[in-house]
Amino acid sequence: DTAVSQTPKYLVTQMGNDKSIKCEQNLGHDTMYWYKQDSKKFLKIMFSYNNKELIINETVPNRFSPKSPDKAHLNLHINSLELGDSAVYFCASSQVPGTSYNEQFFGPGTRLTVL
Amino acid sequence: GESVGLHLPTLSVQEGDNSIINCAYSNSASDYFIWYKQESGKGPQFIIDIRSNMDKRQGQRVTVLLNKTVKHLSLQIAATQPGDSAVYFCADARETSGSRLTFGEGTQLTVNP
Repeated sequence: DTAVSQTPKYLVTQMGNDKSIKCEQNLGHDTMYWYKQDSKKFLKIMFSYNNKELIINETVPNRFSPKSPDKAHLNLHINSLELGDSAVYFCASSQVPGTSYNEQFFGPGTRLTVL
Repeated sequence: GESVGLHLPTLSVQEGDNSIINCAYSNSASDYFIWYKQESGKGPQFIIDIRSNMDKRQGQRVTVLLNKTVKHLSLQIAATQPGDSAVYFCADARETSGSRLTFGEGTQLTVNP
């Protein structure tokens, strides 16, 4: 059984387009995340939602808009795609963020290529 | 000329040898340190974590050492196997920021048969 799944796995699109990446977790976790991994493998958090509420919003262009229809899903919508958006985007989930570290489970990633 | 592409630190070891992957951190307020493994084409996978009030923690074939004096973290892999070939990341977290992870630069481990 897939714990954290993302669709699509690959996304190739033209500059200026709008696209969405979907994420679903079946672990019963309350918290979900989006990370961006650049070509040098540097991994940086973008957003985090806890039970559908935004709790982490890093310095990300407002062209990126996360949406959480329920606590098992966190989608990422990107408007007006730019060349610099090309990267691998990872979704992750963990139990409720509290006063202790909770292991994060990552999805397989979505490789976005903007032409 | 200018080089392009990945510039990850790399470590190459022979199968069966022990591997040591190092990580330096700067945030003295971190409460946890975590090691993740990322195989090619996959997402990062949790390996082991250590609280900031500990010096050492052991798992199956892995040991994490924490030296707070010099802000250094290491991951030791015993009897390295080809399946250990991956990029390894250290990350830190603070209790007050919930599960926010700050990842360090990865290290590419290659195990030669």
